[in-house]
Amino acid sequence: NAGVTQTPKFRVLKTGQSMTLLCAQDMNHEYMYWYRQDPGMGLRLIHYSVGEGTTAKGEVPDGYNVSRLKKQNFLLGLESAAPSQTSVYFCASSYTRGRNYGYTFGSGTRLTVV
Amino acid sequence: GESVGLHLPTLSVQEGDNSIINCAYSNSASDYFIWYKQESGKGPQFIIDIRSNMDKRQGQRVTVLLNKTVKHLSLQIAATQPGDSAVYFCAERPGNTPLVFGKGTRLSVIA
Repeated sequence: NAGVTQTPKFRVLKTGQSMTLLCAQDMNHEYMYWYRQDPGMGLRLIHYSVGEGTTAKGEVPDGYNVSRLKKQNFLLGLESAAPSQTSVYFCASSYTRGRNYGYTFGSGTRLTVV
Repeated sequence: GESVGLHLPTLSVQEGDNSIINCAYSNSASDYFIWYKQESGKGPQFIIDIRSNMDKRQGQRVTVLLNKTVKHLSLQIAATQPGDSAVYFCAERPGNTPLVFGKGTRLSVIA
């Protein structure tokens, strides 16, 4: 049981390049989330999904797109990377009503945009 | 190196002492609260949770207290150990929406 797995763990991009971050969970969780973490800012929600085929915007969605084609996977895309997107990105998943709402987090992707 | 913890409030405690980490939450409609621990280079890990119909919940060496009147949450760690050194986040659930996280507190344990 791996929990939440994020790939890659590290990446350096040039401004304007694109990339996709992959998140996979094996706990049959309905909900999945993408957060970014910057110094002194805590965790800020980018996008989230309440089920396969559905996505919603979070607090800081601009410059990112997401897709949830399969229940176990949640992809975060950067279409044209900018230095302001240098951050540590965390994926998380959770159950919904009737259960513990606590999130299980992945180990993060450290992205640097130069 | 770890840059996540820059500019965070820091609590320094002696090994073996008790630690109290405080959090003020923002939404009076929040019905569920969680404490997370984040070690350097890792993702946040669940420590303990509490629902709004409770004011205290205990786990192994940890206790969470909830004061809804003043919208305050605290995490107490008994007999703090070097392995407790980390950044601690509180999170609130304002209704049926994603969790909202606080900015975190760094706990530094002095051996």
